[in-house]
Amino acid sequence: SYVLTQPPSVSVAPGKTARITCRGDNVGSKSVHWYQQKPGQAPVLVIFYDGDRPSGIPERFSGSNSENTATLTISRVEAGDEADYYCQVWDTGSDHKVFGGGTKLTVL
Amino acid sequence: EVLLLESGGGLVQPGGSLRLSCAASGFTFNTFAMSWVRQAPGKGLEWVSGISGSGGVTYYADSVKGRFTISRDNFKNILYLQMNSLRAEDTAVYYCAKDQAGYTYPCDYWGQGAQVTVSS
Repeated sequence: SYVLTQPPSVSVAPGKTARITCRGDNVGSKSVHWYQQKPGQAPVLVIFYDGDRPSGIPERFSGSNSENTATLTISRVEAGDEADYYCQVWDTGSDHKVFGGGTKLTVL
Repeated sequence: EVLLLESGGGLVQPGGSLRLSCAASGFTFNTFAMSWVRQAPGKGLEWVSGISGSGGVTYYADSVKGRFTISRDNFKNILYLQMNSLRAEDTAVYYCAKDQAGYTYPCDYWGQGAQVTVSS
C-alpha cells in the first residue's frame, strides 16, 4: 500500500518560516491535503489539493507538491501554530485514504 | 454550521461488538461522502472506512475489513460504524468526518471523537 513519510518533529522560532515535508513515491501526481491537530482536539483541514486554503485558514499557510515531496509552509510562525500536522492523499491503487505519520511542530 | 456528533463509544472486551453513531447537521447529508478515522493513544491518524453519499459504495482499511461495517441513514442523517470481533489494537478515538464531496476528497469537517477501549 502507498506510504507517506513525514519527519517526526520540526522546530521553528516565532516569526520564522516552518516547512513540513511529506514524501511519497511520485506524490506529485496525487493531490495532497494537510490537517492540523492540537492536543485534545479534532483535526482541522488547513490545505487541500496541494495548495488551496479553506475559508478561515490564514494566508500564512501554503502548500506545494512536486515529484516525490509535498511541503506545508507556515510563514511568520506563531505560538498558536504549535500542533501536529498530517498529510493525506487518496490512493487509487488501494482505494484508501492514506495519512502520513504526522509531524509535531514546536514553536521555540 | 456543520456539526458532527459521535456517540456509542465505551469499554468492550476483546471479541466483543460496538456500534458508533454520528449525527450530522448543517449540510445536505446525502450529497456528501463520509469517513471514519481513528487515532490510537499517542499515535497518528488512521483512516478506517468511507462511504459514498448514497451509501452504495463503501471502502475499508485492510486492518478492519471483514470486521467493521460502515453504513448511513440518509433519512435520519446518521452515519454508523458497526465494529465486531474487536481487538486490543482497535482501541482509539474514532472520528466521524464529512468528505468535501466524494470519497476521494479530503475531510473538511470532523466530529470531536468517540473513545473506544478494548480490554478485558
